[in-house]
Amino acid sequence: GQNIDQPTEMTATEGAIVQINCTYQTSGFNGLFWYQQHAGEAPTFLSYNVLDGLEEKGRFSSFLSRSKGYSYLLLKELQMKDSASYLCAVHAYSGAGSYQLTFGKGTKLSVIP
Amino acid sequence: DAGVIQSPRHEVTEMGQEVTLRCKPISGHDYLFWYRQTMMRGLELLIYFNNNVPIDDSGMPEDRFSAKMPNASFSTLKIQPSEPRDSAVYFCASSRTSGSVNEQYFGPGTRLTVT
Repeated sequence: GQNIDQPTEMTATEGAIVQINCTYQTSGFNGLFWYQQHAGEAPTFLSYNVLDGLEEKGRFSSFLSRSKGYSYLLLKELQMKDSASYLCAVHAYSGAGSYQLTFGKGTKLSVIP
Repeated sequence: DAGVIQSPRHEVTEMGQEVTLRCKPISGHDYLFWYRQTMMRGLELLIYFNNNVPIDDSGMPEDRFSAKMPNASFSTLKIQPSEPRDSAVYFCASSRTSGSVNEQYFGPGTRLTVT
């Protein structure tokens, strides 16, 4: 199985930079996703990492270190609309030809003025 | 594209009743997933299908839960009989086989309350 850890809550100021960390322990690793989920809404895809390094997409960047079982999501120039939960999800082989996406509990980010 | 469609959006039922949740995946997607989300356990995979065939149902809590996908554009998740601990938001998601990123697109969810 997978064990995924991320902070429960974080608070940051509008215009600032925030880094949300995720550590995982898994076998059959096949990639790591970050999803954003606003309260009462569905998760939406933010980023995907399969190789070590940084993937940049506008104000959001995601980093992966496979050897350390570690990823982070970096949000720059924070806006009030970035207040949401951020879910780290590990894609891994789960046996019998099956790959699964296992989600962490999510980090609730509050952006304050 | 209309995205993943789920119905109903809200369901309130009494313990012991049968509940059927419905999902229409994005056209052309060959994977369909059912998830359950609660505050305590987060987002959990229940079952997923590939080309209408169930691949992994190890996340289905117990025999009270069943899922079907009779064709590429429709799936159901049934709970019979329902219990209060089944109260959660149930999401359906779909994705398509691609060379690299297989991002999943989630529907709006069905909020189920069992009293």
